[in-house]
Amino acid sequence: QSALTQPASVSGSPGQSITISCTGTSSDIGGYNYVSWYQQHPGKAPKLMIFDVSDRPSGVSDRFSGSKSGNAASLTISGLQSEDEAIYYCGSYSTRSAPRVFGGGTKLTVL
Amino acid sequence: EVQLVESGGVVVQPGGSLRLSCAASGFTFDDYIMHWVRQVPGKGLEWVSLISWDGGLTDYADSVKGRFTTSRDNSKDSLYLQMNSLRSEDSALYYCAKDLRYGFDYWGQGTLVTVSS
Repeated sequence: QSALTQPASVSGSPGQSITISCTGTSSDIGGYNYVSWYQQHPGKAPKLMIFDVSDRPSGVSDRFSGSKSGNAASLTISGLQSEDEAIYYCGSYSTRSAPRVFGGGTKLTVL
Repeated sequence: EVQLVESGGVVVQPGGSLRLSCAASGFTFDDYIMHWVRQVPGKGLEWVSLISWDGGLTDYADSVKGRFTTSRDNSKDSLYLQMNSLRSEDSALYYCAKDLRYGFDYWGQGTLVTVSS
């Protein structure tokens, strides 16, 4: 059971936009602006896509954006491309059982 | 270029011990908190431990507390994870990761630990 809740899967067609949600509590997402998002392709290590809720590391496409409202965060990918097909994990600082927590992951399928 | 290279993963019997290593390069190692994160193949990510820049502060997931110890040698730009009393549920791919504002901006390729008799 992951600390943060994500949908198991989402899908979209090339060129469309999708949003992946990540729900936590006031002890993690709701209490701090330290939400991050990771992209993981099969057989590869996770890659940081968003940190501090909405900041993008250098080199990450501006098609990826993040936001937060209350105890929930979201990752939006616009102009979907085939290479976006991957599993996406949210992460957050937490004052609950562990100082860093993850969601269970969302598999994005580009139709 | 930042690189993190883990090593030490093997097949070990339940109750056994193992030490993982992570060699870092491309950044000022002793400026950063470092983490271990694990992933059972086909499953999600689980944070395991962190260590402060100087090694003075460590923290662990409840699932490994009292059995795992993380350490670092800043003179060698290396991170370690000593794993004792291993259980089958510790079987996973273990990543070392560099901290960035409570997230993880660089990850190694992982080293596979299998606990099995």
